[in-house]
Amino acid sequence: GAGVSQSPSNKVTEKGKDVELRCDPISGHTALYWYRQSLGQGLEFLIYFQGNSAPDKSGLPSDRFSAERTGGSVSTLTIQRTQQEDSAVYLCASSQDRWNTEAFFGQGTRLTVV
Amino acid sequence: AQTVTQSQPEMSVQEAETVTLSCTYDTSENNYYLFWYKQPPSRQMILVIRQEAYKQQNATENRFSVNFQKAAKSFSLKISDSQLGDTAMYFCAFLGGNKLVFGAGTILRVKS
Repeated sequence: GAGVSQSPSNKVTEKGKDVELRCDPISGHTALYWYRQSLGQGLEFLIYFQGNSAPDKSGLPSDRFSAERTGGSVSTLTIQRTQQEDSAVYLCASSQDRWNTEAFFGQGTRLTVV
Repeated sequence: AQTVTQSQPEMSVQEAETVTLSCTYDTSENNYYLFWYKQPPSRQMILVIRQEAYKQQNATENRFSVNFQKAAKSFSLKISDSQLGDTAMYFCAFLGGNKLVFGAGTILRVKS
């Protein structure tokens, strides 16, 4: 596709359930970032991928959060045993390489845990 | 660790006037990039302007310009001739090392 695609755009889940959020970066982009944005707040860094490897996982808030990237393309962010405080918009961005000057963002997945 | 600070949670400006949004950052890196992103209510993040740290000249994109003070680690955004469509959340961001780090954002409201 022409841009970064995230799915689903909205997800409502019950507390305790697992969820998977998907990000399709722009074709050929090697760098991929996940962020979390709570209502009206800034972007909290979660994890960064360069190709399939994640040099920096320091932002993952707990061991309930994990992410993987396969084939240097699609990435999945998994949240296990969701809690209400996990409710937020999860944004994905990709850039051509680590030092490319522009990161392109998807429109995010709004996660609501009830 | 790199940090980005935006000290103005909200700003307002009259249409056609000029407004400046502040940003400071902290890093030990010498080579890095700085950005301003705009996030309108649609939630889509849009790059407004970028600055390479090794360039002394301030970046300019039409009505948007920056005042980059490397020694002071300051990177403010000036919006001239403000338009209603400029109403959005503005994020300052730093790219260095492994991270693209964002500030907390400034909500800008342009009033008619």
